[in-house]
Amino acid sequence: DVKVTQSSRYLVKRTGEKVFLECVQDMDHENMFWYRQDPGLGLRLIYFSYDVKMKEKGDIPEGYSVSREKKERFSLILESASTNQTSMYLCASSFTPFNRSRDRGFAEAFFGQGTRLTVV
Amino acid sequence: AQSVTQLGSHVSVSEGALVLLRCNYSSSVPPYLFWYVQYPNQGLQLLLKYTTGATLVKGINGFEAEFKKSETSFHLTKPSAHMSDAAEYFCAVSSRWGSSNTGKLIFGQGTTLQVKP
Repeated sequence: DVKVTQSSRYLVKRTGEKVFLECVQDMDHENMFWYRQDPGLGLRLIYFSYDVKMKEKGDIPEGYSVSREKKERFSLILESASTNQTSMYLCASSFTPFNRSRDRGFAEAFFGQGTRLTVV
Repeated sequence: AQSVTQLGSHVSVSEGALVLLRCNYSSSVPPYLFWYVQYPNQGLQLLLKYTTGATLVKGINGFEAEFKKSETSFHLTKPSAHMSDAAEYFCAVSSRWGSSNTGKLIFGQGTTLQVKP
């Protein structure tokens, strides 16, 4: 079974702190994602990565950065935590099933258990 | 741009009744479509997906969904609801490479399913 592991289930941080959320997957997936989940808003994409050292902004990247130094690990960084970043954070990974030179395709994403972050 | 709309943030059914959760999408290219389920305090689990081929897709736990291109819909159904189906359900869309989108998953707002005894 694919396993996506997030380092913490619950986290409480103070305003202004630098926060690191870690995510590791064990299936050699190329693609990794960070989403934020808020009631009534569904899941919103913060950042994603298609390869090591590669990153692209999602829909709500402001206030966040990411790091992908190794294929299995994708870190989300809150440079200076604020109360409006209190949320559930979900990491996901997926593989690319088709030939990259043609229809890249897109396989389903596998999700971690989530990290509920509270910024006080 | 791609988008997903789930009609109804809360749906309530009686145990044994039909479950119908609605999802409409917009995409300028042929989409990939997914339904995920989330139980309390857990991550998301894939229920089913449509990529190519047969438009009626069967998933886990007795759920199925039909891709209707003319209606840009991908509604989720289950003939008989069970108490254990109570959860939040998310519809998602992604596109093939080469379009203006880059294969990322776009989610709807979610629908909470309540099952009454």
